[in-house]
Amino acid sequence: GQQLNQSPQSMFIQEGEDVSMNCTSSSIFNTWLWYKQEPGEGPVLLIALYKAGELTSNGRLTAQFGITRKDSFLNISASIPSDVGIYFCAGQREGAQKLVFGQGTRLTINP
Amino acid sequence: NAGVTQTPKFQVLKTGQSMTLQCAQDMNHEYMSWYRQDPGMGLRLIHYSVGAGITDQGEVPNGYNVSRSTTEDFPLRLLSAAPSQTSVYFCASSYGGWGSGEAFFGQGTRLTVV
Repeated sequence: GQQLNQSPQSMFIQEGEDVSMNCTSSSIFNTWLWYKQEPGEGPVLLIALYKAGELTSNGRLTAQFGITRKDSFLNISASIPSDVGIYFCAGQREGAQKLVFGQGTRLTINP
Repeated sequence: NAGVTQTPKFQVLKTGQSMTLQCAQDMNHEYMSWYRQDPGMGLRLIHYSVGAGITDQGEVPNGYNVSRSTTEDFPLRLLSAAPSQTSVYFCASSYGGWGSGEAFFGQGTRLTVV
């Protein structure tokens, strides 16, 4: 089935470092979403993107909708321990009613 | 503010048993769906519904049934559990379709089939 390619699969960083992750697809998407999942919980929406080239921030998080509409990026600046979790990208193709998800990026932070 | 409520949180089944995972939302959302989450696989869509009385298959529907008799409830039925259905199951709902960015997830049901 249609999946998004998300990378990296895991990251081990020091507190205070910046983080970058991305999601790519061979198909064009008209919506990109970024979710965070903490242990024992369901995913929680962080940022939603609806327009090619759009750059949106949510606190220390910034996400971009790629110009080609086939990719998206999430950056976290000055990471803190509570940023630990799994980050998922999700996309919706034009005319589709379904979301497809990336495999997730597991973020671990060393204090 | 209940949001999306899933029950049970944990379940162990024997191979061949059947059970129903419950999902309820109190936000009057039209769209509801079920995903399963397996290590390294992300979230894969099992079934979804765009409104009461309407359901459709997702990416991995085999072995699961759904129905949507009310806007609030979207139960997922395992007809004859198999070890391959060991997973964490998430229910999600959205008001304006997934592209609205307003998808809310439940806390998940961790199912083990032995």
